[in-house]
Amino acid sequence: NAGVMQNPRHLVRRRGQEARLRCSPMKGHSHVYWYRQLPEEGLKFMVYLQKENIIDESGMPKERFSAEFPKEGPSILRIQQVVRGDSAAYFCASSPPTRGNSPLHFGNGTRLTVT
Amino acid sequence: RKEVEQDPGPFNVPEGATVAFNCTYSNSASQSFFWYRQDCRKEPKLLMSVYSSGNEDGRFTAQLNRASQYISLLIRDSKLSDSATYLCVVNIGNGNKLVFGAGTILRVKS
Repeated sequence: NAGVMQNPRHLVRRRGQEARLRCSPMKGHSHVYWYRQLPEEGLKFMVYLQKENIIDESGMPKERFSAEFPKEGPSILRIQQVVRGDSAAYFCASSPPTRGNSPLHFGNGTRLTVT
Repeated sequence: RKEVEQDPGPFNVPEGATVAFNCTYSNSASQSFFWYRQDCRKEPKLLMSVYSSGNEDGRFTAQLNRASQYISLLIRDSKLSDSATYLCVVNIGNGNKLVFGAGTILRVKS
C-alpha cells in the first residue's frame, strides 16, 4: 500500500511564474492536509481539504495561493506569481474521514526554489 | 504566545547519554499529542504518540502533564542515529489540525 505521494520532489521557478504541487493521498483516504516549512522553521498548517471541498484554509496566505482536491486525481497546491519568499518545503498528509485524534503521515515533500 | 513552544537547542550530547526535551502548549482543549522526528530536509516521521498515563517505546519515554500543559520526551542511551530535530505536535480542538512546534535539535557525538 503506497504512502502519500508528492511530486515533483524538487521544483525550480523564476519569480512571477506559477508553481503547481501535487499530492496523491494513500489509498482509501479522502482528506488531505498541506503544510509549509520555511528554511530553519517548523511546519506551518496551510489548508485541509476533502474531495471537492475546503474544510479549513486558515493557514493559507490570502493572495496567490489556492488549493483543490477534485473528485478524481491528486490534490493540487497552486502558487501564482511566485516570489523568493515562497521558497520552502511543502508537505502533504492524508487521512480517512474519521481520523479522530490519530497522527498524520506525510509524503516526501516538494522543495520549491524560486530564483 | 505560540500554540506550541519548544527549546530550539541544539542539545549536544555524547553517545550513551540521557537527554530530555520539554514542550509547552497553550490550548487547554488540545486532544492528543505526538513526538515526530525530522532528519535534515526530509519529511517528519511519527516517533510516538503521547498518552495521559505516559508511555515508553524502547529507549524513548513520553510524558504528558495536562495540568501544566507540557509534554516531555526522554531518550536514554543516545545513539549517533538519534541526531535529528524532534518536533512536538499537538492536535488542537476538534482534531482536524496538527500544530507543530519549531523543533529541538539533537546532536549525538561519539
